[in-house]
Amino acid sequence: KAGVTQTPRYLIKTRGQQVTLSCSPISGHRSVSWYQQTPGQGLQFLFEYFSETQRNKGNFPGRFSGRQFSNSRSEMNVSTLELGDSALYLCASSSGPGGETQYFGPGTRLLVL
Amino acid sequence: QQQVKQSPQSLIVQKGGISIINCAYENTAFDYFPWYQQFPGKGPALLIAIRPDVSEKKEGRFTISFNKSAKQFSLHIMDSQPGDSATYFCAASRDQGAQKLVFGQGTRLTINP
Repeated sequence: KAGVTQTPRYLIKTRGQQVTLSCSPISGHRSVSWYQQTPGQGLQFLFEYFSETQRNKGNFPGRFSGRQFSNSRSEMNVSTLELGDSALYLCASSSGPGGETQYFGPGTRLLVL
Repeated sequence: QQQVKQSPQSLIVQKGGISIINCAYENTAFDYFPWYQQFPGKGPALLIAIRPDVSEKKEGRFTISFNKSAKQFSLHIMDSQPGDSATYFCAASRDQGAQKLVFGQGTRLTINP
């Protein structure tokens, strides 16, 4: 079974631009969560989607948004990029609510200049 | 109340020794406590997880000890090997779902040969 895939793996943007990251969950998994990883703040939960609905949301500004498609693939979007948005963005999938194990993808490393 | 505090930040252990990483939490609603291992350039991978109804869980060389009254849990790696050198994260979530994980700050473990 293929793991969680994320595209692109690396991205360089400039301040003020917007970016869209993509995540394909493990086949059969319906829940997708997004996390931001930085050296200073560690791993922080962004949001979680299940059956195309946002179920949980972390404490991030509205510039961070996401969506999930009917095939469970998910995208996250960051608008008006700031330098502090430079981070590793990780996607994780699980079978759904109550599904205990989250499987993480390799992440997308975003650098904002 | 949503924090999970992890210590130490870094740890150096000789090959064959025992590595011990500790975590503490405040939110008594947490009911799922996983440990993740992350290698450079990779996403976190689930090592072992525990629920508060048991005090210890062992899988191979990895053991979680859980103290519900103290709101603490720890990871023990027995017979530590150079291949165990990685960053380890404890985490916690509530409502029997692992989708919204609150992570500790991480421990960088180095096993000297």
